[in-house]
Amino acid sequence: SYELTQPPSVSVSPGQTARITCSGDALPKQYAYWYQQKPGQAPVLVIYKDSERPSGIPERFSGSSSGTTVTLTISGVQAEDEADYYCQSADSSSVVFGGGTKLTVL
Amino acid sequence: EVQLLESGGGLVQPGGSLRLSCAASGFTFSSYAMSWVRQAPGKGLEWVSAISGSGGSTYYADSVKGRFTISRDNSKNTLYLQMNSLRAEDTAVYYCAKDWETVAAPDAFDIWGQGTMVTVSS
Repeated sequence: SYELTQPPSVSVSPGQTARITCSGDALPKQYAYWYQQKPGQAPVLVIYKDSERPSGIPERFSGSSSGTTVTLTISGVQAEDEADYYCQSADSSSVVFGGGTKLTVL
Repeated sequence: EVQLLESGGGLVQPGGSLRLSCAASGFTFSSYAMSWVRQAPGKGLEWVSAISGSGGSTYYADSVKGRFTISRDNSKNTLYLQMNSLRAEDTAVYYCAKDWETVAAPDAFDIWGQGTMVTVSS
């Protein structure tokens, strides 16, 4: 299997832009997905196929990909965006999650 | 409304067994692969197992291979996880999750249940 690496934490002030990275050797060949998880709740899909946003997810959430790194960008961060964020990818027979990044809104 | 509802969690001794269930509603269950994902207390997400829409193909993480068995009953819109030879490190919240697009193999997950807690301890 392979690994996805995320920074453990990211901090940002309200209204600023938060960027959370996810690195993995397989990412140039496979799509990445992003989930938001708030305490005591199930994860929520916020980005699929590197950069697509599901219906109901605010436009301030966006995704991008470059080589072995994908990035989740949250523009104009709000207090409600404070959560854990996980990247995820899959090959033909398994699924891998990154270790997660705790986003703190100062 | 699309919904997943897990049940069957609880306290079990090391070496014991437990069967989790996940009741699905609001979508054509057999058209989607389904997975189990777990989260140990204070830790990150770990994919455990997946099954194709027909039930004909199954997939397992190395950490549970040979101990856990995933299955589904499409007539009952229900997903199962039979867990045997349980270890302390299997202690976690177990989520069932619907694949967002594919029927054959696990990909990504657009619908999650609320989770059921499994505690392995003597």
